Amino acid sequence: QQQVKQSPQSLIVQKGGISIINCAYENTAFDYFPWYQQFPGKGPALLIAIRPDVSEKKEGRFTISFNKSAKQFSLHIMDSQPGDSATYFCAGGTSGTYKYIFGTGTRLKVLA
Amino acid sequence: DGGITQSPKYLFRKEGQNVTLSCEQNLNHDAMYWYRQDPGQGLRLIYYSQIVNDFQKGDIAEGYSVSREKKESFPLTVTSAQKNPTAFYLCASSPKGLAGRNEQFFGPGTRLTVL
Repeated sequence: QQQVKQSPQSLIVQKGGISIINCAYENTAFDYFPWYQQFPGKGPALLIAIRPDVSEKKEGRFTISFNKSAKQFSLHIMDSQPGDSATYFCAGGTSGTYKYIFGTGTRLKVLA
Repeated sequence: DGGITQSPKYLFRKEGQNVTLSCEQNLNHDAMYWYRQDPGQGLRLIYYSQIVNDFQKGDIAEGYSVSREKKESFPLTVTSAQKNPTAFYLCASSPKGLAGRNEQFFGPGTRLTVL
């Protein structure tokens, strides 16, 4: 099974709060885990990505935490801002292939 | 300016008609992809192409066809055989297979509505 399960489906956070989105995967061959951010009517844009040889990667306010044994990874958005309101997708991919498996997305709304 | 362009942005078609969605990239990427996005279902892969004149079916290829005659172009035809074609279609490209930093870059999408 190659599913990537993403939760929650939607999330409302106050400005300045922490947004947390979780993903779980089944395919142990995955070795690349990107997160994409999508604004309404636009294409997704790569936000941050991680490989399973590290447990955490941070870029500005965005952090990926990775738990290889549990086959789970999560996106943390610190000091969430109204401009972060978007849909976020996680994905899993395998080197040497040309396919990602995407999660179903999380619609984040940050209240001003 | 490098990037991926998709046209048109909005497309309407009558039932029973074939329609072709355009995707062009000037990033010199080898691989190109077509995804379909429906509410609550994420992105589902329709077709992908690793090199010119070669392409493979994705998870939901039925009712769709593609061609890859040029490296920079990967048009998608939605045929009348596609039972539920109304959706947001996204084209993407990547420099090669999923290794290193070869992430996928997405175009702005085409919203297709069947009347």
